[in-house]
Amino acid sequence: EIVMTQSPATLSVSPGERAALSCRASQSVSSVLAWYQQKPGQAPRLLIYGASTRATGIPARFSGSGSGTEFTLTISSLQSEDFAVYYCQQYNSWPLTFGGGTKVESK
Amino acid sequence: EVQVVESGGGLVQSGRSLRLSCTASGFTFGDYAMSWVRQAPGKGLEWVGLIRNKAYRKTTEYAASVKGRFTISTDDSESIAYLQMNSLKTEDTAVYYCSRALADIIGYYFDSWGQGTLVTVSS
Repeated sequence: EIVMTQSPATLSVSPGERAALSCRASQSVSSVLAWYQQKPGQAPRLLIYGASTRATGIPARFSGSGSGTEFTLTISSLQSEDFAVYYCQQYNSWPLTFGGGTKVESK
Repeated sequence: EVQVVESGGGLVQSGRSLRLSCTASGFTFGDYAMSWVRQAPGKGLEWVGLIRNKAYRKTTEYAASVKGRFTISTDDSESIAYLQMNSLKTEDTAVYYCSRALADIIGYYFDSWGQGTLVTVSS
């Protein structure tokens, strides 16, 4: 099983600042990685797939990068609606696995 | 608009069974794989299982934690996915999300999610 490790667990950011979230895979997943956003009481929402392709309707301030075992989700200028928990997910091999999440909170 | 709506959650005793339903609309259900993901209270996301579409003979994949106890099936005529959960354990307590799964190269990611249904397993 591929273990996905996200860091930091919590990221304190002020609105307008840049946020960089890390996701590391225990073995290479090539570029077969997705990112999701989840707000309290809501279902997850797909942000990024294929490591760097934005899903439909996702603002350009969200970008994904990386390949192999190291990935980054960057929010270029944090908006109030971006405070949430973010998860990465690999789909390179079974079982599909998620990272433990990074909570982005207001500083 | 793509929509998936889960139902069937509730309180159940350990060792019993429960079936969840996921009713989809807004897309050609039979063309897509469907998946279940769960989230224990205050915890992260855990993938449960996936069923491929008819073109791939509706084959299934499961997480080790539920394999042999949970079964996913679909009714293409009704656009419904099911999660049959047998021999439930207290650690199965979670919100269960249904999602449409999109194939990409090797595996699947999840582009449309329901609001979830809570399953509570008591001892």
